[in-house]
Amino acid sequence: EDKVVQSPLSLVVHEGDTVTLNCSYEVTNFRSLLWYKQEKKAPTFLFMLTSSGIEKKSGRLSSILDKKELFSILNITATQTGDSAIYLCAYMDSNYQLIWGAGTKLIIKP
Amino acid sequence: EPEVTQTPSHQVTQMGQEVILRCVPISNHLYFYWYRQILGQKVEFLVSFYNNEISEKSEIFDDQFSVERPDGSNFTLKIRSTKLEDSAMYFCASSEDGRGTDTQYFGPGTRLTVL
Repeated sequence: EDKVVQSPLSLVVHEGDTVTLNCSYEVTNFRSLLWYKQEKKAPTFLFMLTSSGIEKKSGRLSSILDKKELFSILNITATQTGDSAIYLCAYMDSNYQLIWGAGTKLIIKP
Repeated sequence: EPEVTQTPSHQVTQMGQEVILRCVPISNHLYFYWYRQILGQKVEFLVSFYNNEISEKSEIFDDQFSVERPDGSNFTLKIRSTKLEDSAMYFCASSEDGRGTDTQYFGPGTRLTVL
């Protein structure tokens, strides 16, 4: 049974568009939620969210967590072709394990 | 900027052979992890390691697998008798102190192909 569900599974947009990626989770002992970007190989860290309602921002990327509704979103504004990647959401459980979603494959067309 | 390194980048082995995947975590980090990602599938947790012992392990991490920190810098994953289904990308990660507020940084991965 999936504990982390990401949507959409894939998304194709044009450069300059804004995208919103979704992550919902089901967990009993939540510690934090993390977003990673995976291009060719290893996931690279984007954000860690622990508190509800506080937006984290890095350049054109931002993310927010809703602990009551158990979801997070990742926004990318003014997308560029270099944003094409798989975006992974994971939560950290009480045992400090990262439980991963299947990812959203984002393709940015020029 | 410090980073996690892994060697080799790609290893091909015959079924039944033993393999050792090597990782050098970030130097001041204390918690170490192995994950794997079968092609096209989710990243899966294998094991976490702290203070020279396993903290947690998943059901994937059976008796075929072992981890070791043989010296002050390396962290290894050994698969004793590889199976075809062990073919995957194996990622090592490390974090400073393993608390829930801490970030895990990933190495570039080792692609293991079992023939």
